[in-house]
Amino acid sequence: DVQLLESGGGSVEPGGSLRLSCEASGFPFSEAWMSWVRQAPGKGLEWVGRIKSKTDGGTTEYAAPVQGRFTVSRDDSKNTVFLQMDRLKTEDTAVYYCATPLGPWLWKFDSWGPGTLVTVSS
Amino acid sequence: SYEVTQPPSVSVSPGQTANITCSGEKLATKYISWYQQKPGQSPVLVIYRDDQRPSGIPERLSASNSGHTATLTISGTQPVDEADYYCQAWDASLQVFGGGTKLTVL
Repeated sequence: DVQLLESGGGSVEPGGSLRLSCEASGFPFSEAWMSWVRQAPGKGLEWVGRIKSKTDGGTTEYAAPVQGRFTVSRDDSKNTVFLQMDRLKTEDTAVYYCATPLGPWLWKFDSWGPGTLVTVSS
Repeated sequence: SYEVTQPPSVSVSPGQTANITCSGEKLATKYISWYQQKPGQSPVLVIYRDDQRPSGIPERLSASNSGHTATLTISGTQPVDEADYYCQAWDASLQVFGGGTKLTVL
């Protein structure tokens, strides 16, 4: 079975940092494009960023609100993708999901983790 | 930046057809995915590549994408279909979610 499991959420003050992890299993992780999507309390989904597979260049892309503050990376030896969040703002408060497409069609998110809550507050 | 717009809410009676729209400039040139999300749960992919259903998704869910509007259609709506639905527009340079539509079955 395909599984994604996020961890690392918690409470942090504005300006602080947090590192989220997402451990994957059940599919060829090294070939996967891995994304982070967030959902603020009571709000809609917002794509945060993505890292391609190393065979596709391993490049990263980010949404404008997090560009320059968040970094997505991966460790294929541990089937894990990371989201390093720096200079956090109160508006970054959200449940953070990792998500990935399965199969050859990449423009979809078949699999999602249960999410991890990040609260940015003083 | 590119934006897609959904109605905040749609109501439908059980057994009737629900249509949830997603609008954006030249949306037909993008690939559209649809997700269903129930309270306290992660989103579930219900449509991809405009009109393709993943395995396990009921045939009563269908979709189309033409011009500036994509539409998710739920035929013979059941109480279990009550959820938030999000469209997502993709192309080589962007991916953006709509604001979501709360489907109420009453």
